[in-house]
Amino acid sequence: DSGVTQTPKHLITATGQRVTLRCSPRSGDLSVYWYQQSLDQGLQFLIQYYNGEERAKGNILERFSAQQFPDLHSELNLSSLELGDSALYFCASSVGEGLADYNEQFFGPGTRLTVL
Amino acid sequence: DQQVKQNSPSLSVQEGRISILNCDYTNSMFDYFLWYKKYPAEGPTFLISISSIKDKNEDGRFTVFLNKSAKHLSLHIVPSQPGDSAVYFCAAGPSDDKLIFGTGTRLQVFP
Repeated sequence: DSGVTQTPKHLITATGQRVTLRCSPRSGDLSVYWYQQSLDQGLQFLIQYYNGEERAKGNILERFSAQQFPDLHSELNLSSLELGDSALYFCASSVGEGLADYNEQFFGPGTRLTVL
Repeated sequence: DQQVKQNSPSLSVQEGRISILNCDYTNSMFDYFLWYKKYPAEGPTFLISISSIKDKNEDGRFTVFLNKSAKHLSLHIVPSQPGDSAVYFCAAGPSDDKLIFGTGTRLQVFP
């Protein structure tokens, strides 16, 4: 158990809909990272928040947005969903701010999103 | 364009033998390299890392080798154990930017 929790574990929805994925980081971690893993794809970095502020942005679509709240949990919002958005979405957390803290990223179990 | 490639989607190795997982990268600006292990229904777990100033890093049964001229790294597991059966992701990046992950190699260690 990494200490990072993600809810829900599974989500099935229809095209055009909007969903929210939730992540609670490890106690004491200030950074939250979101990754997408599509079928046969590696983990794609989406976005990082550090202590409530956006820290780095990756290949995140405009239909997707995220935020980190004062209690440090984070939500990833996916809207106007398309079939191709079906994937595993992982959240990770770390104590540090810098992306050089690679070996300190702890991953949650992921949310599997299926868009029908 | 995949900057980090794991060309073998799967690998099967007998228990006790050596497992060698390979990873190639294209970006010469990458200076930090990591391996993550992932079991089903769990998130990836950090395994071992290496910076570009080294060519080898060892941690118990796990050793990562880096060949900068070939832009190639490999993970050696010796001896392989059934509990090592998992998907292994290679990741790389510059030390001040995001990680790029490979597509993973599924390792199966059989008795």
